[in-house]
Amino acid sequence: GQQVMQIPQYQHVQEGEDFTTYCNSSTTLSNIQWYKQRPGGHPVFLIQLVKSGEVKKQKRLTFQFGEAKKNSSLHITATQTTDVGTYFCAGQRAGGGNKLTFGTGTQLKVEL
Amino acid sequence: KAGVTQTPRYLIKTRGQQVTLSCSPISGHRSVSWYQQTPGQGLQFLFEYFSETQRNKGNFPGRFSGRQFSNSRSEMNVSTLELGDSALYLCASSTETGRAFFGQGTRLTVV
Repeated sequence: GQQVMQIPQYQHVQEGEDFTTYCNSSTTLSNIQWYKQRPGGHPVFLIQLVKSGEVKKQKRLTFQFGEAKKNSSLHITATQTTDVGTYFCAGQRAGGGNKLTFGTGTQLKVEL
Repeated sequence: KAGVTQTPRYLIKTRGQQVTLSCSPISGHRSVSWYQQTPGQGLQFLFEYFSETQRNKGNFPGRFSGRQFSNSRSEMNVSTLELGDSALYLCASSTETGRAFFGQGTRLTVV
């Protein structure tokens, strides 16, 4: 079945450092989405990427979708303590309805 | 717009019992999906309902079932509970583009 892997599993940074998480799907995706889950919370939608090679920015966050539509990355510039949480990528396949296959997640901790 | 509402927020059940969880999607969303989240397995897809029909199903045993009503509200049922069913159960309603909005979840503990 479809698998989505994410690395790293954990990342511990000092405030102000950059952070990147990478996502790789075993199958071609129709789109990829990114979610953030704070400790004790629920996943919250960040972005959806649909086009091959697409790059989108949200303030300090930059999202990329690979040319083959099988991988993606999320880069945070100059992390802040408010960035703490687990970041998940989630892929959708054509014909799969709204089923999301989630990556394993990257837990980000930010120290002052 | 009100968000996705899940009830109850917390449940403690005994092995062998059954449980029903409820989800009210965002008004206008016809798609409701359910996910199980555990520390060991992460977020796993259970099933998706669209206009009262199950459109997709994950790899869970038949003890896990669901349904959707004409007002798009959804329920999921787990019968013959096992200790391993302890998890956070998340409901998500989706837009036509597939963007998912999650509820706060139901924390199920099986003892």
